[in-house]
Amino acid sequence: DTAVSQTPKYLVTQMGNDKSIKCEQNLGHDTMYWYKQDSKKFLKIMFSYNNKELIINETVPNRFSPKSPDKAHLNLHINSLELGDSAVYFCASSQKGEMTGDNEQFFGPGTRLTVL
Amino acid sequence: KQEVTQIPAALSVPEGENLVLNCSFTDSAIYNLQWFRQDPGKGLTSLLLIQSSQREQTSGRLNASLDKSSGRSTLYIAASQPGDSATYLCAVRPWRSQGNLIFGKGTKLSVKP
Repeated sequence: DTAVSQTPKYLVTQMGNDKSIKCEQNLGHDTMYWYKQDSKKFLKIMFSYNNKELIINETVPNRFSPKSPDKAHLNLHINSLELGDSAVYFCASSQKGEMTGDNEQFFGPGTRLTVL
Repeated sequence: KQEVTQIPAALSVPEGENLVLNCSFTDSAIYNLQWFRQDPGKGLTSLLLIQSSQREQTSGRLNASLDKSSGRSTLYIAASQPGDSATYLCAVRPWRSQGNLIFGKGTKLSVKP
């Protein structure tokens, strides 16, 4: 009964390739997020989607493109992978993305991306 | 710009001790603050969520406090156990955000048997 799941767990690929990471939540939440955790373990928001609409796009290269086919899924597609993209990518979800204080965020297990 | 700082960066204690982890944030305009636990190679597990109008939250041996005006939160762990060993992350949800969290760099806790 995994609440937020991601696939794959590990991804090793060559520079220049295109890859996708999938995320699904079965919590019925309206809002989903992608975070990046770098080699120093620092977590930073990349994207946020509310009801399939993009509401946050931090300063992320346009090689990264999130896609939300429905409210329960938020996939991350990365074009022309670079060495610096190596990191752990976490998907998360919460009930509400608007300005309320009660939306606890739940995280997936992460996808460790290694670019060679 | 909101910044979150966690002190100490690492902490090692003998089993059974009570301990306090500290989190500070620069802008008191927040909706909530959330404490997470991250085990090596694993995802984040939500421990406690404190809304901006609350002063503290408790779950089992964990107690988190929030002093929004001074920009501080503490996570108190009672009677620590080796299984508590993990990295503890503090995150705030800023007032003018669209839901995203701003994280500290975490405190790596090691509880020795």
